[in-house]
Formats: sequence, structure tokens, C-alpha cells
Amino acid sequence: KAGVTQTPRYLIKTRGQQVTLSCSPISGHRSVSWYQQTPGQGLQFLFEYFSETQRNKGNFPGRFSGRQFSNSRSEMNVSTLELGDSALYLCASSYRPGVNTEAFFGQGTRLTVV
Amino acid sequence: AQSVTQLDSHVSVSEGTPVLLRCNYSSSYSPSLFWYVQHPNKGLQLLLKYTSAATLVKGINGFEAEFKKSETSFHLTKPSAHMSDAAEYFCVVSVGGGSQGNLIFGKGTKLSVKP
Repeated sequence: KAGVTQTPRYLIKTRGQQVTLSCSPISGHRSVSWYQQTPGQGLQFLFEYFSETQRNKGNFPGRFSGRQFSNSRSEMNVSTLELGDSALYLCASSYRPGVNTEAFFGQGTRLTVV
Repeated sequence: AQSVTQLDSHVSVSEGTPVLLRCNYSSSYSPSLFWYVQHPNKGLQLLLKYTSAATLVKGINGFEAEFKKSETSFHLTKPSAHMSDAAEYFCVVSVGGGSQGNLIFGKGTKLSVKP
């Protein structure tokens, strides 16, 4: 069974640009969550999708958005990039939302904003 | 509110010696707890999980963790460290959703293994 696939692995963008990151979950998994990882703040939750619906959203500005498609693939978009958006963005895939559910992570997309 | 606290930001051991990574949790009810490992420039890999079955949980690569309700702890151990164990380890509690998401992560413990 293929794992969680995130593309691209690395990105370099300029301040003010926008970026779209993609996540393909494990086959059969319908829940996708996104996290931002930085050395200073650690792992912070961005949003969670299940069956194309956003279930939860973290405390990030509106520049961060996401969506999920009918095949469970998910994208997140960051508009008007700032230097502080430089981070490793991780996607997690689960069979369903909720407590006790294991989450499987992709290798992440390393975004650098210059 | 539920949370986890990893008591050490960095642990250094010699190859072949035991590993102990400490985690305390805070929860108003019986929690679901996980340990994840992250090797440099990689995603997170699930090591083991506790979901109120056996209190001693065995994971991959020889790791295990013991849930102790009286001490609100979920420490990760391994009898003998290997060089390949050098990585960052995260203790995680599952909360089911909300503005923090389903998983609340500790700050991480970086494990160094000396030859």
C-alpha cells in the first residue's frame, strides 16, 4: 500500500507570491490534516478535512486555505507569502477522524520564502 | 484541556545503552497517546499507540512505552540504543478535534546516539 504522498518536496518562493501544496492520502483514507512545523513553534495544526468538508481549522490567518477533492486528495494554498511562512508542511492521512485513529504522515513539503 | 509535556528537549546516550524519553500528559479522561519519530528531513513515523488496552505498549524497532495513570506518564524506552535511533521523538495525545486539531504534539525530544 502506498503511503502518503506530498508534492512538491521542496519549494522556494518570493515574498508576496502564492503557493499550492498537494497531498495524496493512503488509499481508502478519507481524512486529511495539515500541520506546519517550524523550529520555534514546533508542530501547529492548520486544518482537517473529511469527505471534502473542513472539520476543524487552526489559528492561522485567512491567507492559509485548503480543500479536499472527491478522491480524498487535498491541497493547501498560502497566498501573499511572508518570510515567516518558511516551514515544513506536513500532511497526515487517517481512515476517519476522531480519537484513537492513527495518523500517517507524508514526508512533507519544505517551503522557503525569500 | 488536554496536553503533553516532554520533559527533556535533548537526550544523549551511547550506542548499546538504554533509552528513556519522558512524557507527561494532562487529560480529564482516559487519553489516547502516541509516540512518533522524525528522522532529519523526513515526515513523522508512528512508533506506538496506547488506546486503553494493555498499559505496556510495544512498538516498532524495539521501542515500548508504559502508560501510568497514577503518574500521568507515558515514557518511551528501548533497552539498547542503535545509531539509527538518532532522531526527534514526539509524544502526542489525541483529542478528537477542535481548533488544535485531533493531535496535540509535545515539543519533541532530540535523541543523540554516540558510538
